[in-house]
Amino acid sequence: GAGVSQSPSNKVTEKGKDVELRCDPISGHTALYWYRQSLGQGLEFLIYFQGNSAPDKSGLPSDRFSAERTGGSVSTLTIQRTQQEDSAVYLCASSLGTGAGDQPQHFGDGTRLSIL
Amino acid sequence: AQTVTQSQPEMSVQEAETVTLSCTYDTSESDYYLFWYKQPPSRQMILVIRQEAYKQQNATENRFSVNFQKAAKSFSLKISDSQLGDAAMYFCAYRSVYGNKLVFGAGTILRVKS
Repeated sequence: GAGVSQSPSNKVTEKGKDVELRCDPISGHTALYWYRQSLGQGLEFLIYFQGNSAPDKSGLPSDRFSAERTGGSVSTLTIQRTQQEDSAVYLCASSLGTGAGDQPQHFGDGTRLSIL
Repeated sequence: AQTVTQSQPEMSVQEAETVTLSCTYDTSESDYYLFWYKQPPSRQMILVIRQEAYKQQNATENRFSVNFQKAAKSFSLKISDSQLGDAAMYFCAYRSVYGNKLVFGAGTILRVKS
């Protein structure tokens, strides 16, 4: 089946604008994650959704960042009033969800966000 | 909070030879999962190998194997018979059995010379 799909692949926008990044997880995966990868760095956890439970927002860097997941499937990460330090690759991952044992996370190709 | 450290920003290996990438981590938990991910220029994170902390046996996947030293909190990746397609950024990652997020190291760039 199809993997995790993210759009757009690349986004260039001006400082101060709002941006929306989309993630379409693997069908049947109840868990969805957003990570941020700044240039030359490892991935930094942003937010996690599991089914209908309240999301774990502990990694969001500021209140300019928000995310939602509609219908337990597609997720949108929104960054308001973008700043240059928001420039990064935003990666989405999905997994079958929690349960006994480990459920590997499958990653999309990411959205490269560039703030001018 | 857990942390993952990869002390080698960059490594090089000759094609067909063996290379070992280092990873150490810090945790107070006794049960957890460890992973190595590969990220080629396409950006997609590809799971290479994973290890459950309660298993003493080191995980192996074809040319990839790990040396898991729980007491030392060390989790190195050995790539045997290196191929040009192995060239990528490699990330070590930790996941608690009680949580869901992955904690990543800063990565090691692996270059393969022909």
